[in-house]
Formats: sequence, C-alpha cells, structure tokens
Amino acid sequence: DAKTTQPPSMDCAEGRAANLPCNHSTISGNEYVYWYRQIHSQGPQYIIHGLKNNETNEMASLIITEDRKSSTLILPHATLRDTAVYYCIVRAFSGGYNKLIFGAGTRLAVHP
Amino acid sequence: EPEVTQTPSHQVTQMGQEVILRCVPISNHLYFYWYRQILGQKVEFLVSFYNNEISEKSEIFDDQFSVERPDGSNFTLKIRSTKLEDSAMYFCASSGGTPATNEKLFFGSGTQLSVL
Repeated sequence: DAKTTQPPSMDCAEGRAANLPCNHSTISGNEYVYWYRQIHSQGPQYIIHGLKNNETNEMASLIITEDRKSSTLILPHATLRDTAVYYCIVRAFSGGYNKLIFGAGTRLAVHP
Repeated sequence: EPEVTQTPSHQVTQMGQEVILRCVPISNHLYFYWYRQILGQKVEFLVSFYNNEISEKSEIFDDQFSVERPDGSNFTLKIRSTKLEDSAMYFCASSGGTPATNEKLFFGSGTQLSVL
C-alpha cells in the first residue's frame, strides 16, 4: 500500500472551510484514497473515498489531483464537532475484505 | 443507521487472566475486523475474518489471540492470558454485503481493556 504524508496538526475557525492535505506520491493506478476520522477516542468513522475523480457527499468533498499524487479533504463549513484526527489512507480494493492501515493522521482543531 | 455494537465498554482484568471482547457487527456485513489503539498511539490492525476463517492477521495477533463467530450475530476476540501491554482500546469493525458498503469499514465505539 502506498505511503501517505499528512501534517500532524491544523486548526480552523468554526464556519470556515477546513482543507486537509494528503500526499501519496507513490500511489498505484488501482489504489483508492480513503478518508476516515476519529473523534476523541471513538471508533474511526468513514468520511469519503475516491479513485480519480473528485467526490462529494453529505460530509465532505475529496479533491484528487490529476496526477493522483495528492488529495485534499474539504469540510465546507467546519463545526466544533469536526474536531478530530483525520486519516488519509491509500489502498487497492477489488472486493473482499478491506484492511486499512492507519497512520498518525492530522489532528484538526476547530475553534470558535 | 445500523451500527456495530461492542460490549463491554470497559473491562478491567488481572494479568494472566482470559478476556473475551464481544461485538455485534452490522447484520448483513460479511467481513469482520479487530483493531486496537494503545493510548496515544495509532490505530493498529489485528485481524480480519470472513466465512468463518481468518483472512489476514498482523504480527500483533499471536497465539494468545483468537477470534470466533459463535453464532450468526456475534464476533468475539479472546485474549488467552492477558499481559500489561494488552491494555488498549479494542475496536471491532465490519464491512461488505452491499455494493454501497463494500469498501467502507464501520467501527464500533470500542472496549477499553485495562490489564492490572
């Protein structure tokens, strides 16, 4: 699985967009980019994933560069409840079980 | 929304004792996982399980650990003889079953295991 690099911490004002970067320069053509988050000590929570195209759901948007070597998770209007550790994970998936390997992630602090 | 349920939320045990951590995965999911997180450290993969067999396990998952799906709903992690370093939050997860959920892991809220 490709290695990812994320900043250890970021902060964001409440109501503003939070843009969390992730570098994955060794990503292979069949590897997806997954984003999860962990609020305090709860179980990780799925946010979004993508292969090549940008993706959007009710939680966030995922922007993947054309060369796929980096991506950005966007929380459009961050709230205090978005304070969490955000994990960017790259993994090939072709059906079956999906073992995810978590790194250190980015600790996002949303402040009033 | 369906969720993964873990019991107990906290478990305290003496070193050398056996513990069983219990999980009820989402009902139509096919793949099951255990992860753990030692305080202040990363979330670590332990094992994945499918069709009543271990699909993959990590180096952490040694002979002291075992998993079982004893019936159609529960998924358990047993630690045979606990050590101090087994103290951690243990997360169960499940995935699969429908195209919409195939790739997504759904995690439980965890069991905090404290070994004294």
